Amino acid sequence: GQQVMQIPQYQHVQEGEDFTTYCNSSTTLSNIQWYKQRPGGHPVFLIQLVKSGEVKKQKRLTFQFGEAKKNSSLHITATQTTDVGTYFCAEEYGNKLVFGAGTILRVKS
Amino acid sequence: DTAVSQTPKYLVTQMGNDKSIKCEQNLGHDTMYWYKQDSKKFLKIMFSYNNKELIINETVPNRFSPKSPDKAHLNLHINSLELGDSAVYFCASSPAGVNTGELFFGEGSRLTVL
Repeated sequence: GQQVMQIPQYQHVQEGEDFTTYCNSSTTLSNIQWYKQRPGGHPVFLIQLVKSGEVKKQKRLTFQFGEAKKNSSLHITATQTTDVGTYFCAEEYGNKLVFGAGTILRVKS
Repeated sequence: DTAVSQTPKYLVTQMGNDKSIKCEQNLGHDTMYWYKQDSKKFLKIMFSYNNKELIINETVPNRFSPKSPDKAHLNLHINSLELGDSAVYFCASSPAGVNTGELFFGEGSRLTVL
């Protein structure tokens, strides 16, 4: 089935460094969602991007949707230990939400 | 109040046993889902129900049988458990299918098959 490719699989950063995860699709997406899952927790919705070239910010998090609506990124500025977890992108495929493989973020303090 | 609640949170059982996981949402949503998350964190959809009607059934073995007695509840029964069934099972809900935005996930049920 359809699946967005998400990279990197893991990222270890020093606290204060920036972090970016990317999702790429071979087809045009209608929209893309991002979720965060803390260790031992459940996925929590962060944002949905719909428009071509859209950029949205949530404090230190910046979400982008590519002009061709085939890729998206999540950038965290100046990571903190509270940012640890797995970040997933998810695309609508038919009438279901299909998740990328996720990027596991570890932050060293 | 927990929006999407699952029970039990942890389940340890022997191969060959039958077990059930229950899910309830108090958000008034029409659509509910079961996702399986394996040890590599990969989240895979299993089933989806809209207003008690099955709308998605991924290639899941027949040993897995969902049941939705009403639109606020979606249970998952698993027969003849196998080692590979060990995973975290997440229930989720959304207002009216994925097109209406975000999924609300339960806290997960960690199943360990010995």
